Amino acid sequence: GAVVSQHPSRVICKSGTSVKIECRSLDFQATTMFWYRQFPKKSLMLMATSNEGSKATYEQGVEKDKFLINHASLTLSTLTVTSAHPEDSSFYICSASLGRREETQYFGPGTRLLVL
Amino acid sequence: AQSVAQPEDQVNVAEGNPLTVKCTYSVSGNPYLFWYVQYPNRGLQFLLKYITGDNLVKGSYGFEAEFNKSQTSFHLKKPSALVSDSALYFCAVRTRGSTLGRLYFGRGTQLTVWP
Repeated sequence: GAVVSQHPSRVICKSGTSVKIECRSLDFQATTMFWYRQFPKKSLMLMATSNEGSKATYEQGVEKDKFLINHASLTLSTLTVTSAHPEDSSFYICSASLGRREETQYFGPGTRLLVL
Repeated sequence: AQSVAQPEDQVNVAEGNPLTVKCTYSVSGNPYLFWYVQYPNRGLQFLLKYITGDNLVKGSYGFEAEFNKSQTSFHLKKPSALVSDSALYFCAVRTRGSTLGRLYFGRGTQLTVWP
């Protein structure tokens, strides 16, 4: 149980284009989903927290107009990187939880984005 | 402010030897504590967590961790390391008062187990 998937696993795009990454909780309903960014050999940087049916809460320094997050259902959240640039190249990981205070976050396998 | 420290970037042990990956934390209030493992180009896998109760927590793959409130530590241990345990390990903390459930991560410790 508690499986989280991400799609695509890897994407290469041209500078200036937009890329959408999907995060799905496969066997549970996730009231809260989180989006992280991880740089090589670095820890995870929380980008935003999204709750189903409401606007995402972005961390300081994260551009909400560039990283659009939609949490349309209890099993799906999407991250859209708009007008991507090479500096957006990174490993993006989502996680999901049931939202209870003590509940574990379960992580997706990650999406490797390369912007040329 | 909440923070997690993993003082060692790298831990090297021989297969069959015990291993310890250290974690200390600083939070306001009582914490929920977690350990995750990450294999190359993969997401994080949950290993174990401390919520309340017994200070010694047992998790997946033979790992365990001991919550020490006085030392604000939550070190990860395994009695006998395997080569397949080689990976990146993250300690994380969450405060009980957090309604959003945000996790604060340490910077990670690369564990290498050699044959």
